[in-house]
Amino acid sequence: QVQLQESGPGLVKPSETLSLTCDVSGYSISSGCYWGWIRQPPGKGLEWIGSIYHSGSTSYSPSLRSRVTISVDTSKNQFSLKLTSVTAADTAMYYCARHGSTYYDISTSLYWGQGTLVTVSS
Amino acid sequence: QSALTQPASVSGSPGQSITISCTGTSSDVGSYNLVSWYQQHPGKAPKLIIYEGSKRPSGVSNRFSGSKSGNTASLTISGLQAEDETAYYCCSYAGSSIVIFGGGTKLTVL
Repeated sequence: QVQLQESGPGLVKPSETLSLTCDVSGYSISSGCYWGWIRQPPGKGLEWIGSIYHSGSTSYSPSLRSRVTISVDTSKNQFSLKLTSVTAADTAMYYCARHGSTYYDISTSLYWGQGTLVTVSS
Repeated sequence: QSALTQPASVSGSPGQSITISCTGTSSDVGSYNLVSWYQQHPGKAPKLIIYEGSKRPSGVSNRFSGSKSGNTASLTISGLQAEDETAYYCCSYAGSSIVIFGGGTKLTVL
């Protein structure tokens, strides 16, 4: 049974860097599939942030590309998100998810973490 | 890429069928049969209910079906039940390893 769990600070100061990790169990990241981050501001819709393959190949939302880095650590079976220069607009529930096994399957997310709320405030 | 366009809300009575539209462009929905649909109850993570336009993951009720015509994808829920009342999001591959979501639709069961 594939399970994902996000972790990281729940409060980040403006202009600082948001850092989250997604721990994966029940499936080896090295086995394949794409892995992604999606966020949802309070009361609003879903926004794709970016995705990564186990090899380290990444793709990012054009609107966030200049501030986002997604990385993978296959030895720890986890992947991470860094978002720099955050503002209040980055306050959201952040979800990690497992996509399909090909690059065009990144619109398909069968497995999701429970989400972690990150608030940007001084 | 702009967000896909969904109606803010739809409603229907128990037992009826409703359809939620998801309009994109020839660069995303119109170019690929790679639209997925997610159901999200309050305080919960989204749940995949349709992928690759019309396929259902194991365990998803066959009351949910997906289709596409041109640049518009649709989710149809038949035999509406009270438990279907929640938010629904479409999502499409948009080329160049990019994904876009719709703004979401709130379904009310009258």
